Amino acid sequence: DADVTQTPRNRITKTGKRIMLECSQTKGHDRMYWYRQDPGLGLRLIYYSFDVKDINKGEISDGYSVSRQAQAKFSLSLESAIPNQTALYFCATSGSGLADITSTDTQYFGPGTRLTVL
Amino acid sequence: AQKVTQAQTEISVVEKEDVTLDCVYETRDTTYYLFWYKQPPSGELVFLIRRNSFDEQNEISGRYSWNFQKSTSSFNFTITASQVVDSAVYFCALSEETSGSRLTFGEGTQLTVNP
Repeated sequence: DADVTQTPRNRITKTGKRIMLECSQTKGHDRMYWYRQDPGLGLRLIYYSFDVKDINKGEISDGYSVSRQAQAKFSLSLESAIPNQTALYFCATSGSGLADITSTDTQYFGPGTRLTVL
Repeated sequence: AQKVTQAQTEISVVEKEDVTLDCVYETRDTTYYLFWYKQPPSGELVFLIRRNSFDEQNEISGRYSWNFQKSTSSFNFTITASQVVDSAVYFCALSEETSGSRLTFGEGTQLTVNP
């Protein structure tokens, strides 16, 4: 089974709809991140969380919100989706994992969610 | 502020050629980490290597090698004897110690290896 999972993998929605993207991890990492990828722009950080009680804005947080429900779960919400939020969204984790203490500061990514807003 | 530049947007080579992907970074921190990730056509991001700022030793892993030069703020990636399966987008990324593991990515280089 994958260490970092994202649901859904693909989603088509309409302008104005609320949508939630979910991320779960079994790596035992304490840090989790949400990025979006747009063609030619690389990946840009939306939000990140260093533990359950810690939430921080990244460089492009406007129009997004997050929730860290547990150490292993980090969800991203678009309260009112707009077409320019059409992108590939990635969740990532890092930290001193229970089984992989050498992974500190190395981020491991989920498979991505392709979101289309019509 | 941290910045990563991958000036090569697209590279096309013929199988078995060597290819170097360039990465130039900017940071004010003395402690930082550099990464390369591979994104094959299937879309996932695969971690390739992590290098910290105090370790300038070049690294080789099979057909992959990395050249880290602090004097030129570069962390270049070379694939020797390229194969079709190497076709992917490659991202260079930087994390400053003071940023708490937040990654800044370059724009990526699309590598196409033709048979």
